Amino acid sequence: DTEVTQTPKHLVMGMTNKKSLKCEQHMGHRAMYWYKQKAKKPPELMFVYSYEKLSINESVPSRFSPECPNSSLLNLHLHALQPEDSALYLCASSQDRVRLEAFFGQGTRLTVV
Amino acid sequence: AQKITQTQPGMFVQEKEAVTLDCTYDTSDPSYGLFWYKQPSSGEMIFLIYQGSYDQQNATEGRYSLNFQKARKSANLVISASQLGDSAMYFCAMREDYTGANSKLTFGKGITLSVRP
Repeated sequence: DTEVTQTPKHLVMGMTNKKSLKCEQHMGHRAMYWYKQKAKKPPELMFVYSYEKLSINESVPSRFSPECPNSSLLNLHLHALQPEDSALYLCASSQDRVRLEAFFGQGTRLTVV
Repeated sequence: AQKITQTQPGMFVQEKEAVTLDCTYDTSDPSYGLFWYKQPSSGEMIFLIYQGSYDQQNATEGRYSLNFQKARKSANLVISASQLGDSAMYFCAMREDYTGANSKLTFGKGITLSVRP
């Protein structure tokens, strides 16, 4: 099973709303990632969790707040977003050694209105 | 400086023919991994193939093979017997400091491939 599951698949939210994106994997991977991807562009790394601890924050604005409640789950809490935050948000996971290929979920298409 | 360079414009290939997608990279780290991902219009990033910097042989996975030329720092993806379902965006990516999950996966700009029937 090489599956990373993201919910919801689509999300429309207002600039004053609070919402959360969820990501789940059951591959025993100990590293999990959030990426942001604009149309026709490569994914941009936002956060990395390694063994449930935040290890990389790519200077992401505080209106994005990650959380890793356990080794299988990764959340991204959203608050007071701007229209330019509209994008595809991808979650990924990988083992902590050897090949390190990252497996991605299908993403959440977020629209901020 | 860009670490992963994909300069080809949109690529077109006839169904059942082979196509090569180019990727060059830049790193001073002797230990690194190179990856290719496919992203169809649905959005999911699908892992295709991996090449480690110390691997002696070129990687192959079914219809995908990687033409790894270390001295030239290139890692081109070859897709044989193209299928209509191969139409997608293709990203080359690299992970340096190949010893831990904290190392970042850096993506190139991507190449759009269209397969013609």
